[in-house]
This record gives sequence, C-alpha cells and structure tokens, in this order.
Amino acid sequence: DQQVKQNSPSLSVQEGRISILNCDYTNSMFDYFLWYKKYPAEGPTFLISISSIKDKNEDGRFTVFLNKSAKHLSLHIVPSQPGDSAVYFCAASDGNQFYFGTGTSLTVIP
Amino acid sequence: NAGVMQNPRHLVRRRGQEARLRCSPMKGHSHVYWYRQLPEEGLKFMVYLQKENIIDESGMPKERFSAEFPKEGPSILRIQQVVRGDSAAYFCASSPGRRGQPQHFGDGTRLSIL
Repeated sequence: DQQVKQNSPSLSVQEGRISILNCDYTNSMFDYFLWYKKYPAEGPTFLISISSIKDKNEDGRFTVFLNKSAKHLSLHIVPSQPGDSAVYFCAASDGNQFYFGTGTSLTVIP
Repeated sequence: NAGVMQNPRHLVRRRGQEARLRCSPMKGHSHVYWYRQLPEEGLKFMVYLQKENIIDESGMPKERFSAEFPKEGPSILRIQQVVRGDSAAYFCASSPGRRGQPQHFGDGTRLSIL
C-alpha cells in the first residue's frame, strides 16, 4: 500500500511562474517530510524538509507547506527556472523508515 | 568526496549470474537504505540496515536477494541467479539515524541483465 502519494505524474510550467507540486500521505505517525529532486542517471538530491511541528519552511526559491489535518504537503518553486526541470519525489518518515511517492516530472518551459 | 558512494555505476550480468552492488555511506552515517527503481516507476524500498544488523527487510524479495552492512567496509546488496526482471537502477541512501535528519543518496548502480 502506498502511504505517500503523488497523484500528478507530470507538470509543465512557464519559466518565471510558480511550480506547485503536491503530495498526500496516509500515516498520521509521519513526523518529518522531505522533497528530493532527481535528474536522469543521478541519485535523488535532498532539497528541503519540514518537521510536523511546523506548517511552512522556506529556502530561497523553494517553500514546503504542510497541512497536517489534510495530510497534505506541497512544494512551491518560485520563480521556476529551466534548470528546475527534473523529477521531484516527496518522502515521509516515522523516525525509522522513509516512504517515497512515485514522483512528479516537472518541465519548466523557457 | 564525502557523499554516498556506490559502485559499480553500471553492471551487466547474464541470466543466472550473481550481482554484487556496493554502497559506502557518508562519513558519520551508520544507517543504510537500499531502493530499487524500475523504468517509469518510483523508488521502491528494499531494506534498511544499521552496522551488522538488518532493521527492516520488508521490501526485499524473499528469494535470491540479500543485504549486509558489516562492521568494516561497505554495505553489499547481493542478487543471486539474476533474471531479466532484476534489471533496474538500485539506489543506496544513508542517514545518521537521528530523527529529523534526511537521507542522502548515491548515484545508483544500473543493473542490466542480458
């Protein structure tokens, strides 16, 4: 059973606009959430994370929002750049294991 | 390079042979995780190890697959009697094992079965 879900396999955004990637989870024991970025032929790279005690964490152009009541998190990238084109994975941890979504392929159109 | 090191980057095996994939975690990390990514799919958890212990192997196929993380040396994912369906990218990640700390990934081993 997929405890972390990314329902949009792909997303296209114009350069300079905002990219919003979404992720849903089912396990209320998750207390740490992460986003990874993956280019072809490379391993996933850690991007940003958020603890369950927060509802927002920002790092430059990247902001992660957590809605615990809805069991939903999102990653906002603004402004989007062509170099942001990659597959984005969300992940959640219960302090022991990490659970990954199936990824969203983001294409930023110049 | 202080990152997670995986080798080889590419491995070609014939059906029935054995495949050994190695992973050296980041310095200071004592927890290792192995994932498999099939074409057009996401990351599938396989096994979680600490030094000399398997913590969770719920994602590992029951037959032909094994993993170890010895006291000295890298973690090894071993696949015996490989079949075509084992062709995939295998990623290793490591973490310090403390709550609220991310995993960091290697660049993977791409296994091709002829």
